[in-house]
Amino acid sequence: KAGVTQTPRYLIKTRGQQVTLSCSPISGHRSVSWYQQTPGQGLQFLFEYFSETQRNKGNFPGRFSGRQFSNSRSEMNVSTLELGDSALYLCASKKLPQAGELFFGEGSRLTVL
Amino acid sequence: QQQVKQSPQSLIVQKGGISIINCAYENTAFDYFPWYQQFPGKGPALLIAIRPDVSEKKEGRFTISFNKSAKQFSLHIMDSQPGDSATYFCAASPTALVSGGYNKLIFGAGTRLAVHP
Repeated sequence: KAGVTQTPRYLIKTRGQQVTLSCSPISGHRSVSWYQQTPGQGLQFLFEYFSETQRNKGNFPGRFSGRQFSNSRSEMNVSTLELGDSALYLCASKKLPQAGELFFGEGSRLTVL
Repeated sequence: QQQVKQSPQSLIVQKGGISIINCAYENTAFDYFPWYQQFPGKGPALLIAIRPDVSEKKEGRFTISFNKSAKQFSLHIMDSQPGDSATYFCAASPTALVSGGYNKLIFGAGTRLAVHP
């Protein structure tokens, strides 16, 4: 059974650019969450999607957005990149929002220069 | 009130010893407490989780102890092995009524464990 797949694994952008990260959840999983991991702030919740609807949102500026497609795949977008956006962005999936284990992907490492 | 405080920041244990990592929380709305293990270059993987109605849960060499009145919980790794060397995160989640589920995890800062042979 394939795990959570995130693409790209690594990317480098410059300040002011935007970036789109992709996540394919485990087959049969319909809930997708995104987390940001940095050495300074640790793991922080970004948002959660279920049935193409955002159900929860963390304390991040509006430059961070996401969406979920009908096949449960999800994308997150960061616009007007800042140096502080350099981080490992982790996607996690579970069968349903209210039950089950949360499985994480290996992440997309974003470097902003 | 959303914080989960984790200690120690790093831990060195000899092979066969017991590794103990502690976490404390403030928000009484938290009712799901998982521990995750993360190896370099990998995403966090769930090790073991507990809910407040249980004071202890054991899975193999891993045990969670939970003290609801003190709002503290800890991870014990018995017979620690070099393969256990990783970063460990505790986490907590508010009740399903508040969050609609357990996805909104609040993580501790992590403990880097090194088990020496």
